[in-house]
Amino acid sequence: DTEVTQTPKHLVMGMTNKKSLKCEQHMGHRAMYWYKQKAKKPPELMFVYSYEKLSINESVPSRFSPECPNSSLLNLHLHALQPEDSALYLCASSPPASVETQYFGPGTRLLVL
Amino acid sequence: ELKVEQNPLFLSMQEGKNYTIYCNYSTTSDRLYWYRQDPGKSLESLFVLLSNGAVKQEGRLMASLDTKARLSTLHITAAVHDLSATYFCAAGQGPARQLTFGSGTQLTVLP
Repeated sequence: DTEVTQTPKHLVMGMTNKKSLKCEQHMGHRAMYWYKQKAKKPPELMFVYSYEKLSINESVPSRFSPECPNSSLLNLHLHALQPEDSALYLCASSPPASVETQYFGPGTRLLVL
Repeated sequence: ELKVEQNPLFLSMQEGKNYTIYCNYSTTSDRLYWYRQDPGKSLESLFVLLSNGAVKQEGRLMASLDTKARLSTLHITAAVHDLSATYFCAAGQGPARQLTFGSGTQLTVLP
């Protein structure tokens, strides 16, 4: 199983809402990543978890709150987002300390109204 | 800070023609990746290049790495319409193996 799953596929939320994005993998990977991708742009790294611990936070605003409850699951909690946060949010995983490729999920397309 | 530059940004090709996409990176990186992204879809891994002189081929695509020049190329041979997509290169760095992506090349193969 080389699949990373993400739910929901689409999400529309208001600026006062609280929502969460979910990412799951069962490949035994101990590194998991959140990326943000705007239209016609490359993915930008947001957070890296290694062995369920946050190892990198790329100066992401606090309205994005990541969580890694276990080795297979990664959440991104959203609160008080702005319209400019509308984007495709991609989750990826890879074996840590490895040169193996990162496997990307299908993404959640987020629209903030 | 690792920077990755990719060119061209846009590429229109006739079917059957050959072309090359270039990817330069600014500092030492121990690996280089190529991904494909179809519109509205996620990223699909194409190649992982780990050492100087590495060459990998899959179908009509061939990727190479020159670590001394900090340059990777993705060569397309006898393009077909199914290759139309956006291609990203990404350089890996750091203990968390974080990736820095190039801007992407939007490839359109015309009949």
